[in-house]
Amino acid sequence: DIQMTQSPSSLSASVGDRITITCRASQSIRSYLNWYQQKPGKAPKLLIYAASSLQSGVPSRFSGSGSGTDFTLTISSLQPEDFATYYCQQSDSIPWTFGQGTKVEIK
Amino acid sequence: QVQLVQSGAEVKKPGASVKVSCKASGYTFTGYSIYWVRQARQAPGQGLEWMGWINPNSGDTNYAQKFQGRVTMTRDTSISTAYMELSRLRSDDTAVYYCARGPTYSSGPFDYWGQGTLVTVSS
Repeated sequence: DIQMTQSPSSLSASVGDRITITCRASQSIRSYLNWYQQKPGKAPKLLIYAASSLQSGVPSRFSGSGSGTDFTLTISSLQPEDFATYYCQQSDSIPWTFGQGTKVEIK
Repeated sequence: QVQLVQSGAEVKKPGASVKVSCKASGYTFTGYSIYWVRQARQAPGQGLEWMGWINPNSGDTNYAQKFQGRVTMTRDTSISTAYMELSRLRSDDTAVYYCARGPTYSSGPFDYWGQGTLVTVSS
């Protein structure tokens, strides 16, 4: 199975900050990397697919990059509604696997 | 609009089975696969675990090896509903179970999710 490792596991930031979350795959997944946002008690929401494509309706402050084994999710200017847990997920090889999550908290 | 609506919370005893439903609306049910993902509740930020998928058009399924022999995914196209049944439940199966829509013939993301169904396994 492909292992997905996110860093950091958590971070504290202020409204307006630029933040970056990293996701590393244990082997190449080409560009089959997706990012989700999850708020407490809610289902995950798709933000970015195919490493860098913005899902319809998602604000442009979210962006993704990378290919192969190293990927990043960037929020250019953190908004109050962005405080949540973020997960990466590979869809290159079965079984699909997720990172352990990055919790973004208010500083 | 696309919606996936899941059945309500369940409490089961160890060794029992649970069947969760996922009713789709707002799109052609047979045009996308339904995936099942669970999230354990034992610790904060517990991760997401893919369990398998079903192609509603053909009925073909693909299960994660971890759940082989215990999980069965089915569908009823007449009512646009998918089902996930997990048998021989254990306490560590306590989790929120999600259905999600995804592609059938490509390696794409899960673009719509159900609201989740909490399954509690306790004696």
